Formats: sequence, structure tokens, C-alpha cells
Amino acid sequence: AQKITQTQPGMFVQEKEAVTLDCTYDTSDPSYGLFWYKQPSSGEMIFLIYQGSYDQQNATEGRYSLNFQKARKSANLVISASQLGDSAMYFCAMREPHSGGGADGLTFGKGTHLIIQP
Amino acid sequence: GAGVSQTPSNKVTEKGKYVELRCDPISGHTALYWYRQSLGQGPEFLIYFQGTGAADDSGLPNDRFFAVRPEGSVSTLKIQRTERGDSAMYLCASSPDSSGANVLTFGAGSRLTVL
Repeated sequence: AQKITQTQPGMFVQEKEAVTLDCTYDTSDPSYGLFWYKQPSSGEMIFLIYQGSYDQQNATEGRYSLNFQKARKSANLVISASQLGDSAMYFCAMREPHSGGGADGLTFGKGTHLIIQP
Repeated sequence: GAGVSQTPSNKVTEKGKYVELRCDPISGHTALYWYRQSLGQGPEFLIYFQGTGAADDSGLPNDRFFAVRPEGSVSTLKIQRTERGDSAMYLCASSPDSSGANVLTFGAGSRLTVL
């Protein structure tokens, strides 16, 4: 089974509208972290937001917020007041504990290509 | 340095050749990760180092791929007898250590094309 599922291959959104990018995850470990990264056409992965599995509050970073629904294993990214510069690939990722201590690297979903239209 | 630096940014090689890709992590970051990203896909984990040792190399696709980090800083990903299927973007990331909440900071990547 896929650990990270992003069901929206592509989305078109009007500038200034809010957009929700879906992400569901699969893990049996109670301790994990969820991340969202943005990848513009230049190729560099840019960190947006982090949510720990034990965090009580939904994470927020400026225009980005994470709608964390633990029971549903869902971690959707919400971008408020979208801008043309938000056009990019968006990846949801999860980090689980490593069997030898510390944590594994990130496991990424397939991504959502977001296009903001003027 | 200020960010994660990867060289070369682009590499074109012929099938069967040997390739080295270099990653210079953020100064002081002890954890270093290599990923491979094919067109239209998410990054796939290859290997990660905690210090000088490979903590997890389970993502390396076969024994043609090898990575080292001899002094716990710069890392080199080595690919022997390259194949056309190795063509991809190779991303390196580093984090302060391997604890779960630490953010991975990525470099701009090395795009490998095998003709």
C-alpha cells in the first residue's frame, strides 16, 4: 500500500481563491511527522509546513495551514488567497521513526500540479 | 555554506559510463539524504547518512549505486555502468540531525541524462 496518497494530479484555481490540496497517509506508528513541500519549475524543493502526530493544533505558516485529521489519516494543505507565484508541484511527505533510532528520511506522494490562473 | 550545494547541476553521459554526483550539505548538519526523482513523480528515497555512516541504504536500486560520506560532511553518489533508466533528477537534502521534527533542506539537484 502507498504510504502517501495525493489524489489530485492537477488543479486549476483562480487567483485569490483558497485552495485545498489533499493528502492521506498510511502508518501504524503512533509517532510520525507530516510535511508539505513546494517544487516550482526551477526544481528546488521548498519546505512549507510541518505537522507532528502529537501536535494538538493544526500547523499554520503564513498563508499555509494544514488541516490535520488524525483519525482519518488526512493532512490536507490549505493555501489562502492564492497568488500566481503559487503555481508549482506540491508534495506531501511523511517521516517515521527509524528502527535503529532517529527517524527515516521522507516518503513522498506523487504530487499535485497546481496552476493559479489570473 | 548557506544552503545545500549540488554539483554538477547537469550531467550528460553515455550508457555504460561511471558518474559521480556531489552534495555539500549545510554546515553542521549531521544527517544527509539522497533522493531520485523521475519526471512527473515524487522524490524516491535512496540512502541517508547520520555522520559518516549510512544509516539506511534500503532505497538504493541495485549494486551499481553507491554513496559515501567519508568525513561526515560532503557526500558523493556514485553510479557505475550507467543505464538509460538512471536518467533522473538526483536530489540531496540535509537536516541538523535525524530526529523526526527536523526539516530536510534540499539542494537544487543534479539532473542526470544517460544517452
